[in-house]
Amino acid sequence: KNQVEQSPQSLIILEGKNCTLQCNYTVSPFSNLRWYKQDTGRGPVSLTIMTFSENTKSNGRYTATLDADTKQSSLHITASQLSDSASYICVVSAQTNAGKSTFGDGTTLTVKP
Amino acid sequence: EAGVTQSPTHLIKTRGQQATLRCSPISGHTSVYWYQQALGLGLQFLLWYDEGEERNRGNFPPRFSGRQFPNYSSELNVNALELEDSALYLCASSFVSYTEAFFGQGTRLTVV
Repeated sequence: KNQVEQSPQSLIILEGKNCTLQCNYTVSPFSNLRWYKQDTGRGPVSLTIMTFSENTKSNGRYTATLDADTKQSSLHITASQLSDSASYICVVSAQTNAGKSTFGDGTTLTVKP
Repeated sequence: EAGVTQSPTHLIKTRGQQATLRCSPISGHTSVYWYQQALGLGLQFLLWYDEGEERNRGNFPPRFSGRQFPNYSSELNVNALELEDSALYLCASSFVSYTEAFFGQGTRLTVV
């Protein structure tokens, strides 16, 4: 069964600090892994998308890594800002079962001043 | 370029009624996906449409249905509404399957 597990479930950090969110998956055969940021009550916004051959991708202060061998990904946020407070969702797509991506439950990040 | 647009933003219905939610994908995208996100929970896959055809559906009862029109816009219909159908319904679109999907802002459905 395809699964995506994210950790921690929630995280509180001080403004300006760095943090790393984890995503472990069992989706196979792997197609791509995406990280989304979702503000409360809003639609998810794409941060990064990575395929099998990519092991790191940056988008401003967000850097995602992918280890396809261990089936792990991380999202590193540098110099956090209050606006980074949101839910961060890891989504993994398989090459089969088209269109049915597997979503993690997300990590809720709270950045405090 | 316009993103994925959903309407209405908010919808209040009473139990037993029907709800219709609409989604316009990004221009050029042929795949549309529907998700349900109940309060405090993760996204649950509902339906995938591509080139006017339903390609896949999640574990939802048949009263959740939809369609995709020739211009690739899509409609989600929920019949015989139940209180637990209250949720944020998100639509996403992509150029082809497996590629990055872009989400709309969602329709907040409240069943009273």
